[in-house]
Amino acid sequence: AQKVTQAQTEISVVEKEDVTLDCVYETRDTTYYLFWYKQPPSGELVFLIRRNSFDEQNEISGRYSWNFQKSTSSFNFTITPSQVVDSAVYFCALSEATSGTYKYIFGTGTRLKVLA
Amino acid sequence: NAGVTQTPKFQVLKTGQSMTLQCAQDMNHEYMSWYRQDPGMGLRLIHYSVGAGITDQGEVPNGYNVSRSTTEDFPLRLLSAAPSQTSVYFCASSRQAGGRYEQYFGPGTRLTVT
Repeated sequence: AQKVTQAQTEISVVEKEDVTLDCVYETRDTTYYLFWYKQPPSGELVFLIRRNSFDEQNEISGRYSWNFQKSTSSFNFTITPSQVVDSAVYFCALSEATSGTYKYIFGTGTRLKVLA
Repeated sequence: NAGVTQTPKFQVLKTGQSMTLQCAQDMNHEYMSWYRQDPGMGLRLIHYSVGAGITDQGEVPNGYNVSRSTTEDFPLRLLSAAPSQTSVYFCASSRQAGGRYEQYFGPGTRLTVT
């Protein structure tokens, strides 16, 4: 069965520290998609990145980077360096081609607190 | 483009009351979904639609109905509200072309059932 695990419930760091949010997934599909969303205190869900199962290249966007490793079924998210504005809940999600790419399985989220 | 819009933003219901949460998108997306977000549980899929006239159940459909008469609108109906339906509800839409399967979410509706 498909599953997404975000084992870190809450992380606190001091501004300018680097921080990595972990995401481990389970799926039997060979074609699947992984996503990260940010939920700031205002409550909306902001799309950050999509990665498909055929593309294991790591991605960097400014201070954000993502490490996709199929061998360990992980899709980790790193902020380098952190800023106070990064304080939010971050969700990792999975969708599968066979069950429908529109059906997301979400992790339980990681609350990141960046202290000034 | 307004993206995905939801109304109302906040709602308080008494047990047994019914209501409809509205969702609309102006991106001509084929797929639309409803999720609920509860503390410590992430988001869970309630119902989804792959096009006008086609809907199906997600992970937690009990107590909710949906319909999709147009591409733009996907309302969620609570038939007889229960305290267990106190949650934040998000509507989402996505296209199904070019591998761009990310969903775009509305701002959410915070529902309290007393």
